[in-house]
Amino acid sequence: KAGVTQTPRYLIKTRGQQVTLSCSPISGHRSVSWYQQTPGQGLQFLFEYFSETQRNKGNFPGRFSGRQFSNSRSEMNVSTLELGDSALYLCASSPATSIYTDTQYFGPGTRLTVL
Amino acid sequence: AQTVTQSQPEMSVQEAETVTLSCTYDTSESDYYLFWYKQPPSRQMILVIRQEAYKQQNATENRFSVNFQKAAKSFSLKISDSQLGDAAMYFCAYRSAANDMRFGAGTRLTVKP
Repeated sequence: KAGVTQTPRYLIKTRGQQVTLSCSPISGHRSVSWYQQTPGQGLQFLFEYFSETQRNKGNFPGRFSGRQFSNSRSEMNVSTLELGDSALYLCASSPATSIYTDTQYFGPGTRLTVL
Repeated sequence: AQTVTQSQPEMSVQEAETVTLSCTYDTSESDYYLFWYKQPPSRQMILVIRQEAYKQQNATENRFSVNFQKAAKSFSLKISDSQLGDAAMYFCAYRSAANDMRFGAGTRLTVKP
């Protein structure tokens, strides 16, 4: 099976712009989670989607949003970009056979740089 | 709130030797899962090993094993016969039904030839 894919891999934006990142989970996986990874804050949970519904949300401002489509693919959007949004954004999918016991499989990430 | 602490920002091991990475967590829940993930330089994160809290037996995956001490809320990772390919950031993580995945700050492991 193909792994989790994320597009684009690298992105450069300027402050105030908005950005959309995409994640395609492993075939058959129904849950997708997003994380932000920075050297200072480490790995922080953004949100989790299951069957097109947001199941859980981390402590991020409303500028960060996401959605999941019927084929389980997911997108996250960041509006009004700030310098502090520069980070590696990781997507992870899991089979979701049970709520929290599933192993998460990570994609390679999207490196976002905000200038 | 559930927190995960990795007190060793960096560790070093000689090739073929054994190294132990530490992880402690804080929780009031009784049912949860613990994970160790590995993130090689510029490569994606992969699962190394996972442990169910209700299981007393420590998980083992080839050269990787854990020492799970539930009462002490400790979950260390032992890597035996270290290989150059083991060099990576290692993250300890916690998850329960009521919470999202919580990660520690990570330990950077260097393997010396």
